[in-house]
Amino acid sequence: DTAVSQTPKYLVTQMGNDKSIKCEQNLGHDTMYWYKQDSKKFLKIMFSYNNKELIINETVPNRFSPKSPDKAHLNLHINSLELGDSAVYFCASSQVPQDIQYFGAGTRLSVL
Amino acid sequence: AQSVTQPDIHITVSEGASLELRCNYSYGATPYLFWYVQSPGQGLQLLLKYFSGDTLVQGIKGFEAEFKRSQSSFNLRKPSVHWSDAAEYFCAVNAGGTSYGKLTFGQGTILTVHP
Repeated sequence: DTAVSQTPKYLVTQMGNDKSIKCEQNLGHDTMYWYKQDSKKFLKIMFSYNNKELIINETVPNRFSPKSPDKAHLNLHINSLELGDSAVYFCASSQVPQDIQYFGAGTRLSVL
Repeated sequence: AQSVTQPDIHITVSEGASLELRCNYSYGATPYLFWYVQSPGQGLQLLLKYFSGDTLVQGIKGFEAEFKRSQSSFNLRKPSVHWSDAAEYFCAVNAGGTSYGKLTFGQGTILTVHP
């Protein structure tokens, strides 16, 4: 059983489209995160949710909208995709914000 | 703002040799410290963590790391590297408190292992 699972694993789309990435964790954790890994492998946090409430919102364009329907899910919706959005997006979860974060396998997004 | 520096972008070692990957952080207090490993096309796997207590921590796959407060460092070590250790290694810092779990990552160190 995968602890943190993301779908899809790969996403190829045209500029201007809208796409979503789903994340689910079966660890019973209260906190979930989205990170972006750019082409130079640099990882940066985008959002964090604790008990379905947004607690971190780094300087991310408002084309990116996270949604947490329940504590086990944190989805990422991206509107009007741009070339610069091409990256690997990682979902993670932890029991509490200071604790170990467990990462999903990532979603590689390619915007053409 | 907190920052993490991994001075070595790429390290090459021979199989069986010892390894040390460097990590320095910039933060006023003692943060929570982590090392993660990422194999090609994979997610990040936790190797070890330091929260408090003994400054030498043991992790999985034979890795260990030592927290040195005076040097603001958390270097990762392994006495004998295996070919399967070839991957990219990331040091990360969680400042705790009002950082609300934000992990700040270093730039990563790519490890190549020669037979």
